[in-house]
Amino acid sequence: DVKVTQSSRYLVKRTGEKVFLECVQDMDHENMFWYRQDPGLGLRLIYFSYDVKMKEKGDIPEGYSVSREKKERFSLILESASTNQTSMYLCASSLRPDSSYEQYFGPGTRLTVT
Amino acid sequence: GQNIDQPTEMTATEGAIVQINCTYQTSGFNGLFWYQQHAGEAPTFLSYNVLDGLEEKGRFSSFLSRSKGYSYLLLKELQMKDSASYLCAVRDSNYQLIWGAGTKLIIKP
Repeated sequence: DVKVTQSSRYLVKRTGEKVFLECVQDMDHENMFWYRQDPGLGLRLIYFSYDVKMKEKGDIPEGYSVSREKKERFSLILESASTNQTSMYLCASSLRPDSSYEQYFGPGTRLTVT
Repeated sequence: GQNIDQPTEMTATEGAIVQINCTYQTSGFNGLFWYQQHAGEAPTFLSYNVLDGLEEKGRFSSFLSRSKGYSYLLLKELQMKDSASYLCAVRDSNYQLIWGAGTKLIIKP
């Protein structure tokens, strides 16, 4: 079974802090994604990566950066956390970007910025 | 712009059948996915449609009409554990997933 793990289930940070969210997958998937999920909205893509050291902006990259130094690990960084970044953050991976390959999700990190 | 529409919430009775609709307008089409998400948990994959027609998987079926930009997820013999949100997502011409806001399904005894 594919397993996607995230470093924390719940996180509380203060405004202005630098925040690291880590994601690890164990199935040698090429693609990894970071989403945020807010009530009443669909999943919104923040960044994605198709390969090591490669990153692409999603729909809402402002205020975020990412790092993929190893194939299995994809980190999301909030350089200076703000209250509007309070959200559920979901990491996902998939084998390849094309056709029928579904995305597998981690359990999510609920981040609260106060 | 790109848009996925689903009802916000539906209620059904245990043992019954429910159909959750999804309509989409996207730049290109490379498949439609349905995911299930229980409260506080990660979405899990249910089904994939790329050609028109019905795909059946046990109690769950998913239908696609590309010409109408329409899909539905059909759940039969509803069980209490089916209470969850159901997310529709379309893969566009860039192979990115565009997500609907999800339909919260409430099952009553």
